[in-house]
Amino acid sequence: DTEVTQTPKHLVMGMTNKKSLKCEQHMGHRAMYWYKQKAKKPPELMFVYSYEKLSINESVPSRFSPECPNSSLLNLHLHALQPEDSALYLCASSQDGGPRLRLGNTIYFGEGSWLTVV
Amino acid sequence: AQTVTQSQPEMSVQEAETVTLSCTYDTSESDYYLFWYKQPPSRQMILVIRQEAYKQQNATENRFSVNFQKAAKSFSLKISDSQLGDAAMYFCAYVTGNQFYFGTGTSLTVIP
Repeated sequence: DTEVTQTPKHLVMGMTNKKSLKCEQHMGHRAMYWYKQKAKKPPELMFVYSYEKLSINESVPSRFSPECPNSSLLNLHLHALQPEDSALYLCASSQDGGPRLRLGNTIYFGEGSWLTVV
Repeated sequence: AQTVTQSQPEMSVQEAETVTLSCTYDTSESDYYLFWYKQPPSRQMILVIRQEAYKQQNATENRFSVNFQKAAKSFSLKISDSQLGDAAMYFCAYVTGNQFYFGTGTSLTVIP
């Protein structure tokens, strides 16, 4: 089972709304990721959680707030977003959250959450 | 800085034919991994094939194979017997640590 599950699949929110994206994996992976992807562009890394601790924040604006309640769950809280934040948000996980990527440490992606900010 | 270059924004192939997607990367690391991911219109990123830099043998996965030239820092993907379901965006990725560096992607069209 190499499944990463994301909800909701589609989200439309106003600029004053507060919403959350959720991600879940049951592969025992210890690293989880949020990526943002615009149309016809590669995914851009936002955050990395390693062993439930935030290890990488790629200078993401504070209107995006990640949370890792446990090793299987990853949330992305959204508040006061801008229209340019509309994108596909991909969650991913990998087996090992260590400092070096070791053999077998493939990153598995979820189907993504389409976010539209109006 | 690590960079990944996919010089072909778009490619097309006739069904049942073979196509090669190119990827080059720049790194000073000796220990890394290379991946090809496929992203169909459903937008899920699906792992196609993986290559460890320390392995000289080219990875193969059914109809998909790579030509890994470490000295040239080249990592091309060959798709044999192309099928309609192969139509997708293909991203090459270079990985070191927990950082993925994606190329800009190649959009593959399969012509019936």
